[in-house]
Amino acid sequence: GAGVSQSPRYKVAKRGQDVALRCDPISGHVSLFWYQQALGQGPEFLTYFQNEAQLDKSGLPSDRFFAERPEGSVSTLKIQRTQQEDSAVYLCASSLNSGRTSTDTQYFGPGTRLTVL
Amino acid sequence: AQKITQTQPGMFVQEKEAVTLDCTYDTSDPSYGLFWYKQPSSGEMIFLIYQGSYDQQNATEGRYSLNFQKARKSANLVISASQLGDSAMYFCAMREGFAGNQFYFGTGTSLTVIP
Repeated sequence: GAGVSQSPRYKVAKRGQDVALRCDPISGHVSLFWYQQALGQGPEFLTYFQNEAQLDKSGLPSDRFFAERPEGSVSTLKIQRTQQEDSAVYLCASSLNSGRTSTDTQYFGPGTRLTVL
Repeated sequence: AQKITQTQPGMFVQEKEAVTLDCTYDTSDPSYGLFWYKQPSSGEMIFLIYQGSYDQQNATEGRYSLNFQKARKSANLVISASQLGDSAMYFCAMREGFAGNQFYFGTGTSLTVIP
């Protein structure tokens, strides 16, 4: 009965290092979202995939952020040359996207807490 | 303008009492969905309840109900018979249009249940 899983749960990086965050969505879910949650704030949208297609990346804060979902299931969010302002919790969510709005609930993973020193 | 506004940074409620968490939203799209999530200290966002813009009745899920006032653009969450385990952050979110669109979140309300 797997929900959305994310790894690692915690990541500490030195400024300038590259990091890769993984998301395993709920099996069969078409849509996958990445959000960034700063301390004391609500999640903010980064990017959205429908199957393997990245349909919206308008929330990515800079070209140092890159996301992929090559086979339409697992997704990776990569941050190059990390900066201190990248410190946040990165949340992944998936939804069935059956076309019926009532089943478009997004189910979230536990998040990856990234700390950039 | 903020899509979702939660004006209560923190709320306290006595155990077994009911509490209302406020949420107002802003959209010109006639089709939208409203969601409430609970985020305990562990960090995971837990889905609580959904209300569609065309739904005629207020949504209910167990002890959770949504007081949907479309004309006022408000979607307040009511938790009845509060329990100690209800202590957490609560986020209101909105999706404009149909499936696949991003969620807009408010800044959250921290709820503390007092024994």
